[in-house]
Amino acid sequence: QVHLQQWGAGLLKPSETLSLTCAVYGGSFNNNYWSWIRQPPGKGPEWIGEINHSGSTNYNPSLKSRVSISVDTSKNQFSLNVSSVTAADTALYFCARGGISGTDDFDIWGHGTMVTVSS
Amino acid sequence: DIVMTQSPDSLAVSLGERATINCMSSHSVLHSSNNKNYLTWYQQKPGQPPKLLIYWASTRESGVPDRFSGSGSGTDFTLTISSLQAEDVAVYYCQQYYSSPITFGQGTRLEIK
Repeated sequence: QVHLQQWGAGLLKPSETLSLTCAVYGGSFNNNYWSWIRQPPGKGPEWIGEINHSGSTNYNPSLKSRVSISVDTSKNQFSLNVSSVTAADTALYFCARGGISGTDDFDIWGHGTMVTVSS
Repeated sequence: DIVMTQSPDSLAVSLGERATINCMSSHSVLHSSNNKNYLTWYQQKPGQPPKLLIYWASTRESGVPDRFSGSGSGTDFTLTISSLQAEDVAVYYCQQYYSSPITFGQGTRLEIK
């Protein structure tokens, strides 16, 4: 049974860089795209971007200039960096499993990491 | 971007009654190559990540009770809960994966009347 475990700093100051990592346990890492999704308090989810095992990425244009997603296949992990954060980046951040070819639905999710940006 | 709009924003239904949630996309999500609608429904309870209920607009995920059903095509979709149970209280989201960026609806909060 595939399980996602995510971690990272939960409190940031404006202009700092958000960094989160998600580890994939219990299944194949190479057969799927892996996404980051965030959900501001009281709002719907927003897709941030995705990556596969070979490092092929796809980003939401609304965040693309500040976002970087990377992969470490030796550890079955993928990571998210968001630079120059502001209060608007305050949200619950999830990692999730997508499909084989990307731009898909998400059948397995991490538990979420609350990130708060405040001075 | 494809904009997903759900209605209503909130809904109160009596136990055992039918609940209906609507989702409209700003562009058709029906792919002509395979005649599939690239539309998913999720259920989210407080403190939990979204749970996949239905994909391809009408296919139930394994383990999802059959009181949940999805219908629609093109730009108009519906999630129906045929007989509301207490454990169905949640926020429901639709999501399109027809084109990037993937987009979600704003959510519909379902409560017990």
